[in-house]
Formats: sequence, C-alpha cells, structure tokens
Amino acid sequence: GIQVEQSPPDLILQEGANSTLRCNFSDSVNNLQWFHQNPWGQLINLFYIPSGTKQNGRLSATTVATERYSLLYISSSQTTDSGVYFCAVKRTGTASKLTFGTGTRLQVTL
Amino acid sequence: NAGVTQTPKFRVLKTGQSMTLLCAQDMNHEYMYWYRQDPGMGLRLIHYSVGEGTTAKGEVPDGYNVSRLKKQNFLLGLESAAPSQTSVYFCASSLRAAGVHEQYFGPGTRLTVT
Repeated sequence: GIQVEQSPPDLILQEGANSTLRCNFSDSVNNLQWFHQNPWGQLINLFYIPSGTKQNGRLSATTVATERYSLLYISSSQTTDSGVYFCAVKRTGTASKLTFGTGTRLQVTL
Repeated sequence: NAGVTQTPKFRVLKTGQSMTLLCAQDMNHEYMYWYRQDPGMGLRLIHYSVGEGTTAKGEVPDGYNVSRLKKQNFLLGLESAAPSQTSVYFCASSLRAAGVHEQYFGPGTRLTVT
C-alpha cells in the first residue's frame, strides 16, 4: 500500500514563531487532506489539497503531486495551534480509503 | 447542518460483550467510513460503504461488522469485544463526485474494553 511519512515527528515552538510541516507519500494521489487533532481528540479539516496551494488565515498548504510531497505552513503560531497534525492521502485509482501518516505533534508555548 | 455525529461518545465494555456504534450524517454523502485510532498513531480504516446497502472491508476489519440500511446512517458492531479493540473510533463521510474526495469526520467514540 501507499506509504505516508510526516516530519518532524515532534515540534516545540514559542508563540509567534513560524513552522513548516512536511508530508511525503510513495505513490500518485488524488486526495490529500491535512487535519489538526486538538487536545480533546477532535479531527478538524484544515485543507483538501491534492495539488496546488491554498491559504486559510495563518495556515497555508502546498502540494506538489508530481514530486509526491505536501507542506503545511503555520505562521505566527498560537497556543491553540497545539495538537497533532495529520496528513492523509488516497492513492489514485483506489476506493476512497484514506491512508494517514503518523502525525506531527506540535506544542506551542508562551 | 450537524455534519457527522457519533453515538455514544464514551463506552466501557467487558470482554465478550457486544455493542453497536452509530454514525449519522446530514450532508447527503454517498460514502461513509469507520476508522480506529490507537495511541500515537494515525487512523486506520475498518470498513467503508459506497452507498446504501453496500459495505466493504478496509485495512483492519477483523472483529467488526457494519451495516448501511439507510443512506445517512452507518453502524459499526462489535459482536464479542476484546481488549485489543480498546481505541477511539471515528466515522467519516464523503461525496461521490468526480474528482472530489474530501472526507469529513465525526467527533469520535472512545471505547475501553476491560
């Protein structure tokens, strides 16, 4: 099956700092989603981004499908950004199963 | 719209007991999914459905059964619970539209089997 690797596995930032999270995948995809799992366990959809670039407030994401990676940028981080960020992909030509990476755990401190 | 809802939010079972988790969505989505999340890991697909009356196995289907009698509901059953099924269970749904595969997730059910 498709492999999804996220880096870094853990990240500690001071409030106000910027960060870049990376997701590498091993095959062509036609669905890529970024999620934030907050400390209460809720999965929040951040981006649906199988290709291209999107921005939503302080967050933006870029997927370069031909090179099989996606980046999530967090600018001016806040303590509410803490949690785990997951990348999930669906391989082209398969049923709608999403394969998740193991996540990047982000802690934003004051 | 409530989106995707799950019932119950928490449950504790004894080994060998049975239970059913209910997922409901009000977005008229054709596809529905059940995932499980174990500590420190991403989600893994248990079963999914591409329409009313259809179901299919995912990555980790053993020990679970599902039914999709109505388009808006997807049930996950555990016939004889085992401690290895202690996990957080997430339901999701998506449209069946060409080129659009975004999945929307419910809030999760935390299940403990003792």
